[in-house]
Amino acid sequence: NAGVTQTPKFRILKIGQSMTLQCAQDMNHNYMYWYRQDPGMGLKLIYYSVGAGITDKGEVPNGYNVSRSTTEDFPLRLELAAPSQTSVYFCASRRGTPFSNQPQHFGDGTRLSIL
Amino acid sequence: AQKITQTQPGMFVQEKEAVTLDCTYDTSDPSYGLFWYKQPSSGEMIFLIYQGSYDQQNATEGRYSLNFQKARKSANLVISASQLGDSAMYFCAMREDSGGSNYKLTFGKGTLLTVNP
Repeated sequence: NAGVTQTPKFRILKIGQSMTLQCAQDMNHNYMYWYRQDPGMGLKLIYYSVGAGITDKGEVPNGYNVSRSTTEDFPLRLELAAPSQTSVYFCASRRGTPFSNQPQHFGDGTRLSIL
Repeated sequence: AQKITQTQPGMFVQEKEAVTLDCTYDTSDPSYGLFWYKQPSSGEMIFLIYQGSYDQQNATEGRYSLNFQKARKSANLVISASQLGDSAMYFCAMREDSGGSNYKLTFGKGTLLTVNP
């Protein structure tokens, strides 16, 4: 019962470094999402994907890039890390059934600090 | 304007008592869904309950129920018989169905619930 798997769980980056946050799901879900959660706040959508090869921007996409080459994987790339990107990052997925009660399933998060 | 408003930053409840966590939402979409998630101190997001805008009855899942008042645009979470393990952050979220929303969720800022023994 892996569900949504995020790696790494923790990471410290220096300003200007780049890294990729990995996200994989084994539920054959079409829809995948990346959120960030700043301290004391709700989740904000960074990017999402409705299927392999299709991605789109969410509410806060600046400073990030994504790709979706397979149904299972949805990596998030940070280029030129900035202190403002210090946050907890969540990946989520859901089935593509329209207008149903299907929730988004979340990974355990990646805690990222930019120093 | 915020789409999801949770006006209670923190709430306290005695063990075994019921507690209501407030959520109001703002949408002009006739079709939408409302979700509640629980985030314990360990950080994971746990789905609790769902209410669709066309559902005639309030949703229930075990000790969780959703008090859905469509005209008031509120979707309050009721937890009955609180347990110590209910201490967590609770988030209300909305999915709007029109305009190719692709099932994106908009989250509120959350309510931190503390259950006292």
